[in-house]
Amino acid sequence: GQQVMQIPQYQHVQEGEDFTTYCNSSTTLSNIQWYKQRPGGHPVFLIQLVKSGEVKKQKRLTFQFGEAKKNSSLHITATQTTDVGTYFCAGGATSGTYKYIFGTGTRLKVLA
Amino acid sequence: EAQVTQNPRYLITVTGKKLTVTCSQNMNHEYMSWYRQDPGLGLRQIYYSMNVEVTDKGDVPEGYKVSRKEKRNFPLILESPSPNQTSLYFCASRDHYNSPLHFGNGTRLTVT
Repeated sequence: GQQVMQIPQYQHVQEGEDFTTYCNSSTTLSNIQWYKQRPGGHPVFLIQLVKSGEVKKQKRLTFQFGEAKKNSSLHITATQTTDVGTYFCAGGATSGTYKYIFGTGTRLKVLA
Repeated sequence: EAQVTQNPRYLITVTGKKLTVTCSQNMNHEYMSWYRQDPGLGLRQIYYSMNVEVTDKGDVPEGYKVSRKEKRNFPLILESPSPNQTSLYFCASRDHYNSPLHFGNGTRLTVT
């Protein structure tokens, strides 16, 4: 079945350092969504990418969707303590099942 | 305020004692879904519903039941809970396929 792998599982960075998490799908995706879950909270939608090679920015966050629509990345420039949390990607299936497969998540810790 | 409401937030129960976790959304969303979150495994879909009286299995449906008698409500039923169902559960809803998922605050279930 369709799988979405996300790496790394954990990342500790010093405040001010950059951070990147990667998602890789076993199959071509129709789109990909990214979510952030603060400690003790629930996942909150960040952004959606639809087009092959698409790049979107939200302040210090840069999201990319691969040319083959099988991988995606989230890059945070100059991390802050407010960036702490778990970041999930969710890949949309192309099979018409209306299904999204979540990646395993990357837990980010930012050391002040 | 647009929201997904889950109850209870915390639940401790014993093996075999039937329980229901309620989920309600006030956004008139057609699609609703249940996920469980376990360390290292990310968010796994249990059941989903495309509309009233339409439900389907996700990736980990064993031991769970759902119903969708009204558009706003999507309860999760554990007829005979077992310790391996100890987990953090999230209900979510969305408007259409490309829309973001809106998550409830989660229910932390412990089965002893």
